[in-house]
This record gives sequence, structure tokens and C-alpha cells, in this order.
Amino acid sequence: QVQLVQSGAEVKEPGASVKVSCKASGYTFTNYNINWVRQAPGQGLEWVGWMNPDTGKTGYAEKFQGRVTMTRYTSIRTAHMELSSLTSEDTAMYYCAREFRITGARLGWFDAWGPGTLVTVSS
Amino acid sequence: EIVLTQSPGTLSLSPGERATLSCRASQSVRSSYLAWYQHKPGQAPRLLIHGASTRATGIPDRFSGSGSGTDFTLTISRLEPEDLAVYYCQQYGAAPRTFGQGTKVEIK
Repeated sequence: QVQLVQSGAEVKEPGASVKVSCKASGYTFTNYNINWVRQAPGQGLEWVGWMNPDTGKTGYAEKFQGRVTMTRYTSIRTAHMELSSLTSEDTAMYYCAREFRITGARLGWFDAWGPGTLVTVSS
Repeated sequence: EIVLTQSPGTLSLSPGERATLSCRASQSVRSSYLAWYQHKPGQAPRLLIHGASTRATGIPDRFSGSGSGTDFTLTISRLEPEDLAVYYCQQYGAAPRTFGQGTKVEIK
């Protein structure tokens, strides 16, 4: 079955960077985009960006441009999201999600999610 | 970007009652590319509906989606205690993908 396993919780100081990983199993890793979504305490879901694991192509939400980098290691079916220049506003649960697209569609829905990685930014 | 506005903010109903959740888009969502997710405390979000009305695999038929253009609805026909969650709509018809702010469903 499709499974996404994420790395463990992180505590970072303001100004630092954090790198979260997402290991996929149960499907062909390079056939589906990986997206990242976050949820700050008491807030709703916020889309961060996407990555094509086959080509490495990425697209980021405007508010994260310049601060987020998404990469992958196809040999170990793992995607990474690195967020830099952290502030307390980046304290959130970060989820990876598999994107399912129908043929010809540019975007798709998120049919499988990782359990989330809690990132806490505190001095 | 397309802004999604969900209403009501909170819905408090008894088991067996019908829940109707609304999602209104600031502009037409192309091809009804709208999904609904259920997010329970301490869990990952779960896909319920895609394409506005297609239930995802394994989703009970008490969950149904409808709508097109700018107005979409998620209906839970007979609430069960395990339906306690926040429900989000998401459009994927135009970049950037956007989520609504969520509707919290409480069980009396």
C-alpha cells in the first residue's frame, strides 16, 4: 500500500534552517509529484510547494520563494524540504503528500499523506 | 489566486443528523477540480472527495460532494461520532493550489 514516512520532530533556533524528509513506498516514486503542506498551531492547511521526483522540477508558493528548497534522492525514494531563515511563524506541522493527476491535467489532488513532522522554532 | 471561503466555521450536530458544509470560490474552479479532506486531531489529512463529487477509495457513502463553478458542498448524510474533524476544501484547477480555512464539525 502507498505509504509516506516522515522524519522526526525538530527544534530550531530563529535564523536556522530545517530539512524534513519524506520516504515513499508502495508505488513508483518517480510517477507522482510530492507536495508539502503545513499547519501552524490553531491555523488551517497551507500549501508550501511541489516537486516532480522524476525531473526534479519544483514550484513554490510565493510566500516561501527564496526560503524553501525541495530535492529528492530517487535511489532511496525520498523527498526533502528545506526551509531557511526560520522564525517563530514557521512553527508548524509539515506534511508531505502524494499528488494524483489525471492524464492531461496540470494539477491534481492529494491522495496520500505522511504523518507530519513537527518543526518548532524557539530560542 | 483563487480564494476559497468555507462556511460555517463550526457545525455542532448530533449523531444521525445531516451536515452540510459549504465552500465558495472567488472565481470559477476549472473542470470542478475541487477536493475535500478530513483532518482529525493528531492525524494526517485524509482525502474524501475529488473532482467535486467522486468519493476516494474506501470513503463511506454517507459522504457526498456536489457543486460546480464557484459553489461546492460536502454533505455528511448521517453523522457518526468518528466524523469529529475539521474539513477542508482545496482547488487544484489553477495554480497556486489553495485551501479553504476549514469547517470544524463537532458532535453533540
